Amino acid sequence: KNEVEQSPQNLTAQEGEFITINCSYSVGISALHWLQQHPGGGIVSLFMLSSGKKKHGRLIATINIQEKHSSLHITASHPRDSAVYICAVRVAGGTSYGKLTFGQGTILTVHP
Amino acid sequence: DTGVSQDPRHKITKRGQNVTFRCDPISEHNRLYWYRQTLGQGPEFLTYFQNEAQLEKSRLLSDRFSAERPKGSFSTLEIQRTEQGDSAMYLCAGEVAGGMVQFFGPGTRLTVL
Repeated sequence: KNEVEQSPQNLTAQEGEFITINCSYSVGISALHWLQQHPGGGIVSLFMLSSGKKKHGRLIATINIQEKHSSLHITASHPRDSAVYICAVRVAGGTSYGKLTFGQGTILTVHP
Repeated sequence: DTGVSQDPRHKITKRGQNVTFRCDPISEHNRLYWYRQTLGQGPEFLTYFQNEAQLEKSRLLSDRFSAERPKGSFSTLEIQRTEQGDSAMYLCAGEVAGGMVQFFGPGTRLTVL
């Protein structure tokens, strides 16, 4: 079992729909990241969370440390939101430094 | 634009050949990470540098792989005697010491024929 699991793996939506992507992890973490990857490879950091909730524009990220679960929400989705969304955790303690452990990604396609 | 560049962006090579990739982070990035991403999967950690010191290597990094960061600035990742299983996207990321956010380069896509 992977240390970071995302669901769903694929998500198709119509423009305007509310979207939720879930992430569960099984290790102690110091932070959780939501990343966006467009075709061609470039990865951009959307959020870094260690507790609570963050909002940026139409994107909202939440984390529940006790349940080891995080969600990424997109309100009023748009075709330009189509991308791969990746959850990644920064493992706490030891000599792990800042290396990230990634989920397998969620492929989001938003149709006009 | 994250400020992190990688070269080349694409590399096609024949099995058994050696390849070298380069990553140029911004000068403030004391920390540098290499990751590998195969099709349909999330990235996996390969190795970590703090300045010029290589402080951690994944078991994924077989003896055919070597990475350097000679002056604590740019980094290179070399793969010797490439195999078809090495085909992947190789990503590097820079981070300032004490920071919590990694800035990714665009990646080098390697295809081994």
